[in-house]
Amino acid sequence: EPEVTQTPSHQVTQMGQEVILRCVPISNHLYFYWYRQILGQKVEFLVSFYNNEISEKSEIFDDQFSVERPDGSNFTLKIRSTKLEDSAMYFCASSERREYTGELFFGEGSRLTVL
Amino acid sequence: AQTVTQSQPEMSVQEAETVTLSCTYDTSENNYYLFWYKQPPSRQMILVIRQEAYKQQNATENRFSVNFQKAAKSFSLKISDSQLGDTAMYFCAFMLRSGNTPLVFGKGTRLSVIA
Repeated sequence: EPEVTQTPSHQVTQMGQEVILRCVPISNHLYFYWYRQILGQKVEFLVSFYNNEISEKSEIFDDQFSVERPDGSNFTLKIRSTKLEDSAMYFCASSERREYTGELFFGEGSRLTVL
Repeated sequence: AQTVTQSQPEMSVQEAETVTLSCTYDTSENNYYLFWYKQPPSRQMILVIRQEAYKQQNATENRFSVNFQKAAKSFSLKISDSQLGDTAMYFCAFMLRSGNTPLVFGKGTRLSVIA
């Protein structure tokens, strides 16, 4: 069964460093998403991406964040200068567009720890 | 803005017993979807069950069923004949039916099934 894969599973970084989280969505899906969950808090929407551009983003997704689909298979989230409060589990998801059912397929998540 | 509230951070149930997880939500919209997602330990979130708000009939998927009370804005999940593999974090989520709107999640309920 096709699934969304994410790398790395866990990354530890120093404050101020750049981090890139990678995702391989399901191959025939057209919509891509990043969500995050700070420990003990809600899963929060960051950004959605369709047709090579951002379709929606939340207030969390400020200028420190960017997304890219560099090669038609990977979907990346970059944090330019990490802050302590960026420590969270980051989830990538993808969905089909043909019939909008609301079902998202999630990856296992990338845990980011900022020291 | 839409909000989702799960008031039970943790629950436990004996194997083969029935358990109900609570979820309430707040919206001024009339057309939306509601979801329960399951996240087993160290695994990705998967969709358990979906309910369209315009349908009065409660959704059912094998041992999983919902009690959807639209007027009360309540959407509880019932798991019958609980199995050890049901041990997971359960997230209630909301999505507007119109457009490419993001999922709004609750904080989750950690369910432990005890042998």
